[in-house]
Amino acid sequence: AQRVTQPEKLLSVFKGAPVELKCNYSYSGSPELFWYVQYSRQRLQLLLRHISRESIKGFTADLNKGETSFHLKKPFAQEEDSAMYYCALGQNTGFQKLVFGTGTRLLVSP
Amino acid sequence: DTEVTQTPKHLVMGMTNKKSLKCEQHMGHRAMYWYKQKAKKPPELMFVYSYEKLSINESVPSRFSPECPNSSLLNLHLHALQPEDSALYLCASSHPAGGSYTEAFFGQGTRLTVV
Repeated sequence: AQRVTQPEKLLSVFKGAPVELKCNYSYSGSPELFWYVQYSRQRLQLLLRHISRESIKGFTADLNKGETSFHLKKPFAQEEDSAMYYCALGQNTGFQKLVFGTGTRLLVSP
Repeated sequence: DTEVTQTPKHLVMGMTNKKSLKCEQHMGHRAMYWYKQKAKKPPELMFVYSYEKLSINESVPSRFSPECPNSSLLNLHLHALQPEDSALYLCASSHPAGGSYTEAFFGQGTRLTVV
């Protein structure tokens, strides 16, 4: 069965500090991993997907198949990064079925 | 237009009412989804339509009835709901692209309260 684990419910850091939001997954097939972000009063939106290997808003995430992890990192957090972050595992079987982790709330204080 | 639009934004209904949630996208996406999100929980998949055909029903009770009248519209018909069905209902869409899929685009959601 596929499962996504985000061990931290809340991560609180000061502005300028490095950030790492952890995500581990279990899946028997070839995984497609995503990070979605939900800012206050806004819709859920894609931040990163592993196949694109982009850096968005200073965030990066590397898929480590050996450790079954897809941690989200940013070297210097900004106050506007405060949001709910969901790691998600996708199955492409004629459509894209997403399984979400429980989410980590990132709070960046001035 | 890269938006998924959901109406209404808020809905309060009694347990004997019949209501419908609507979702619309004009991105040409051929997969559309309903997710349910309870407070402080992640979204959970309910239904998937692929090319206007129901592809997945994640064991959702029959008081929830999805409908995909065309490639741009997705409805969720509600009947005889229970208070525990109160949640944020999210619609999303995506499309095949280069052997994979585009990202899932989510709507703002309909916040449903069953009284």
